[in-house]
Amino acid sequence: EPEVTQTPSHQVTQMGQEVILRCVPISNHLYFYWYRQILGQKVEFLVSFYNNEISEKSEIFDDQFSVERPDGSNFTLKIRSTKLEDSAMYFCASSETSGRDTQYFGPGTRLTVL
Amino acid sequence: GNSVTQMEGPVTLSEEAFLTINCTYTATGYPSLFWYVQYPGEGLQLLLKATKADDKGSNKGFEATYRKETTSFHLEKGSVQVSDSAVYFCALRKMGAQKLVFGQGTRLTINP
Repeated sequence: EPEVTQTPSHQVTQMGQEVILRCVPISNHLYFYWYRQILGQKVEFLVSFYNNEISEKSEIFDDQFSVERPDGSNFTLKIRSTKLEDSAMYFCASSETSGRDTQYFGPGTRLTVL
Repeated sequence: GNSVTQMEGPVTLSEEAFLTINCTYTATGYPSLFWYVQYPGEGLQLLLKATKADDKGSNKGFEATYRKETTSFHLEKGSVQVSDSAVYFCALRKMGAQKLVFGQGTRLTINP
């Protein structure tokens, strides 16, 4: 069964460094998403991406964050100048189309900012 | 704004017990409602969903009914198994929106 994959599973970085989290969505899907879960808190939506542009974003998704689909298979989340409060589990998801379609999630990348 | 509230965890039950995990929501209009499950080391998987009032979603012996009058979508299973041990997330998606709004998750442990 097709699945969303994410790498790395755990990333440790120093405060102020840039990180790139990588995702490979399901191959025929057109919509891509990033969510995050800070330890002990709810899973929060960050951004959705379609047709090479952001289609929806939350107030969390400020200039520190960017997303990109650099080739036909990868979808990345870049966090510039990481802060301690960026430590969280980051989930990538994809759906075939928008609207009522199911979002399929990857296993997550745990980001630890020291 | 839109929000989802789940019952506090963790929940620990014995095998074959009856399970209820409460979920209530706040939203304008008629959102779609979802239950996702996360097994250890895996991503969130859709367990079931309902898209309009009085719809019942079901899968793997789990059920949840969309109750607009009580703004609830409680998850139930008549006889749980050890393999049901996981974290369960209730979520909504507002009509026309793409983002899912999640509850805080409920960790369920089933003992043999």
